[in-house]
Amino acid sequence: DAMVIQNPRYQVTQFGKPVTLSCSQTLNHNVMYWYQQKSSQAPKLLFHYYDKDFNNEADTPDNFQSRRPNTSFCFLDIRSPGLGDAAMYLCATSRGGVGQNYQPQHFGDGTRLSIL
Amino acid sequence: AQKVTQAQTEISVVEKEDVTLDCVYETRDTTYYLFWYKQPPSGELVFLIRRNSFDEQNEISGRYSWNFQKSTSSFNFTITASQVVDSAVYFCALSEEGSNYQLIWGAGTKLIIKP
Repeated sequence: DAMVIQNPRYQVTQFGKPVTLSCSQTLNHNVMYWYQQKSSQAPKLLFHYYDKDFNNEADTPDNFQSRRPNTSFCFLDIRSPGLGDAAMYLCATSRGGVGQNYQPQHFGDGTRLSIL
Repeated sequence: AQKVTQAQTEISVVEKEDVTLDCVYETRDTTYYLFWYKQPPSGELVFLIRRNSFDEQNEISGRYSWNFQKSTSSFNFTITASQVVDSAVYFCALSEEGSNYQLIWGAGTKLIIKP
């Protein structure tokens, strides 16, 4: 089945220690997204890629970076995690193109990040 | 400004009851898209339905139905004969034409179905 896969499912890191979360997809979608979701809240978009074009949300902290080496993979790097970065991180994909805003986003299972 | 309001923070019903989740949206665009997503306790967000602003037909899929009314800017979701497996957080979201793939999310409604 075509899908969005996030690894690991749970990640524990230390305060200030860099961490990388990964996402891969077999849907061949050209748009990939990273969201942060805290308990009892809606997902918050951090950034997205349209092909190789990176689109950062204005309020995404500089501490969060992303890489997309190819169509299938996307990484979220947190350079110096703070306690406030503990959350569920969701990767999603969608088809992109002119006037393609109607395409639904398909989500992975998420990575739950804990900060010690 | 664009906005999605899900006024019901939490709803609790007994299995087999019908339940409606409300979604009210605000947008100035004439072309926009509305979505419902389900997030069960396991965490993954599951796409349920999309509606575009030019299609006000109601939709039924099994026990699920959606009522889109532009006159009241609402896109409500009804589950008929609810089951325990329907327990989840349900999010309504809005995408505007030209929004650069950004979704405006409602706060979500937590639905608890008791056996």
